[in-house]
Amino acid sequence: GAVVSQHPSRVICKSGTSVKIECRSLDFQATTMFWYRQFPKQSLMLMATSNEGSKATYEQGVEKDKFLINHASLTLSTLTVTSAHPEDSSFYICSAGQGLKYGYTFGSGTRLTVV
Amino acid sequence: KNEVEQSPQNLTAQEGEFITINCSYSVGISALHWLQQHPGGGIVSLFMLSSGKKKHGRLIATINIQEKHSSLHITASHPRDSAVYICAVDSQFYFGTGTSLTVIP
Repeated sequence: GAVVSQHPSRVICKSGTSVKIECRSLDFQATTMFWYRQFPKQSLMLMATSNEGSKATYEQGVEKDKFLINHASLTLSTLTVTSAHPEDSSFYICSAGQGLKYGYTFGSGTRLTVV
Repeated sequence: KNEVEQSPQNLTAQEGEFITINCSYSVGISALHWLQQHPGGGIVSLFMLSSGKKKHGRLIATINIQEKHSSLHITASHPRDSAVYICAVDSQFYFGTGTSLTVIP
């Protein structure tokens, strides 16, 4: 079946630094990748949708200059949290797919802690 | 009001019990997803369905498009089924708040 690899699974960084999270589709080409964040005991919230070769579409309230998304190839999308602050500490998850007909596969998530 | 409502929020069951988790949505959709999130946070996609019923092992998912309602059933529940189950609809990926299931041996 389709596999999506996300890493790192956990990262601790200092306030003010940047962190990059990678999401790779291992055995299929993902035309679309999604990035979500999840605060403790809350549901997943869609942050942005990225299509290979074009700019990401951000959801309302998500700062595009803070959460940089790059989808340079059909198998890789990256989320960079720039100038991280403690309030950015969260669980970030990606999903990748080829459209609604084929479904989407989730990565295993990245737990970011900013200290 | 959330676009996707799940019930119950928390559920405790004895091993072997039949479990039902419900999901109602208010937006038009092409498909509905049932996801399983383990305590560590990792998410597994269980089902994607747009009509009728799907079965995988002990898991059954049904959807009624006219009523905008879906159910996830677990037959012969087992402690390893303990997880958070999330309903999501594809209209801009609205998510339910999840149902935390604990199955007691």
